[in-house]
Amino acid sequence: GENVEQHPSTLSVQEGDSAVIKCTYSDSASNYFPWYKQELGKGPQLIIDIRSNVGEKKDQRIAVTLNKTAKHFSLHITETQPEDSAVYFCAASKGGSYIPTFGRGTSLIVHP
Amino acid sequence: KAGVTQTPRYLIKTRGQQVTLSCSPISGHRSVSWYQQTPGQGLQFLFEYFSETQRNKGNFPGRFSGRQFSNSRSEMNVSTLELGDSALYLCASSLIPGLGQETQYFGPGTRLLVL
Repeated sequence: GENVEQHPSTLSVQEGDSAVIKCTYSDSASNYFPWYKQELGKGPQLIIDIRSNVGEKKDQRIAVTLNKTAKHFSLHITETQPEDSAVYFCAASKGGSYIPTFGRGTSLIVHP
Repeated sequence: KAGVTQTPRYLIKTRGQQVTLSCSPISGHRSVSWYQQTPGQGLQFLFEYFSETQRNKGNFPGRFSGRQFSNSRSEMNVSTLELGDSALYLCASSLIPGLGQETQYFGPGTRLLVL
C-alpha cells in the first residue's frame, strides 16, 4: 500500500522566516495531496491541496509544490507568524474508494 | 454550512467498559471515516463508511466497530476498553469519494481517557 514519509518532525523558526515541510509518497497512482493544520485541542483543518495535474498552487502565504517524477510534495509557508504554530500533516490519496495515507506530522513552532 | 460535529467531546471510562462515539457529517456528505490519533502513532485509520456500508477497514482488533445510518450519521463503538485505547478519535466526512470529491473534512474529535 501507499507509504507517506514527512520531514522534519519538528521545525522551529523565527517570526517572519519561511518554513518548508516535505513529504514523499510511494504509490505513483496517488493523484491528490491535501495538507492539514491541527491546532492544540482541535481536529485537523484542510489548508491547501493539490492534484497531480498541477505542479504548484498558492494561497496567500501558503504554497504547495508537487514533483510527480520524484514522488514528493512540499508545503511552503512564507512570513511565518506565531499563529502558524501547529502540527501539519500531509496526505496522499488515489481517489475513488481509497482512503488517504497520512504522514506522521510536523510540529511547527514560530517564535515571536 | 455546519462542519463535522462529534459527541461527546470528552469521555472518561474504566478498563473493561464499552463506549460509543457519534459523528454527524457535513450536510450532503456521504462518506464518513474514523481515525485514532495518539502522540506515538499519529493518525491511524479505523474504518470508512459509505451509504451505510463499511468499505474500508484499518488494522484494528474486532473490539472496534462502527456503523452508518441512512442520514449518513455514524457511530463507532469500542468494547472491553484497554488503557491503550486512550486517544483522540477523529471523524472525517467527504462528499462522494472519487470524481474529485474525496477531500476529507475533520471534526474536533472525542478525547477518550481510559483509567
